[in-house]
Amino acid sequence: SQKIEQNSEALNIQEGKTATLTCNYTNYSPAYLQWYRQDPGRGPVFLLLIRENEKEKRKERLKVTFDTTLKQSLFHITASQPADSATYLCALVRYGGSQGNLIFGKGTKLSVKP
Amino acid sequence: EAGVAQSPRYKIIEKRQSVAFWCNPISGHATLYWYQQILGQGPKLLIQFQNNGVVDDSQLPKDRFSAERLKGVDSTLKIQPAKLEDSAVYLCASSLDVGTEETQYFGPGTRLLVL
Repeated sequence: SQKIEQNSEALNIQEGKTATLTCNYTNYSPAYLQWYRQDPGRGPVFLLLIRENEKEKRKERLKVTFDTTLKQSLFHITASQPADSATYLCALVRYGGSQGNLIFGKGTKLSVKP
Repeated sequence: EAGVAQSPRYKIIEKRQSVAFWCNPISGHATLYWYQQILGQGPKLLIQFQNNGVVDDSQLPKDRFSAERLKGVDSTLKIQPAKLEDSAVYLCASSLDVGTEETQYFGPGTRLLVL
């Protein structure tokens, strides 16, 4: 069955460093992958979408890569700040589901220490 | 622009009781989603509406869960009767249309505790 895994439950880094989060998926070749940010007590907020024919996408301090051979996406936050502390979720369209029917990973909780 | 509104924000009930959640999507958004997020997990889609029609309810436990979006705007999600394992955050999201790359906008969620 289709699986999506975010390898690290938690990641602690020092302010100013680059945070790298990993998302792996199996048994499926999605047309695109999305990344969301979720703060405690709030709903997820969309950050970036990357298509299967795009190797890399950037938005300000964020960078996402998509390797369809490895079935993996990497999410980078450069020059990290304490305000970047949150849980980051990756999501794919569920195979056989309707358009917009997303499967989410469990998320990686990022803590940026000053 | 107002975001997705949900109420109540918190609800505590005993098992076997019923509960209902309300969602008001972003104005003009045709597609509405209900997700269940258990602590430590990612959101799981329960049901997807396009206007007032159901697009996908394959993951909705229909023996106890029901949802409606009668006028194609607001939506309610009901659980009857509730079980302990229904304790979770129920998130509502909306998007402008149904499509492979439509951004979903989430509400703050309703946190349900079943005792």
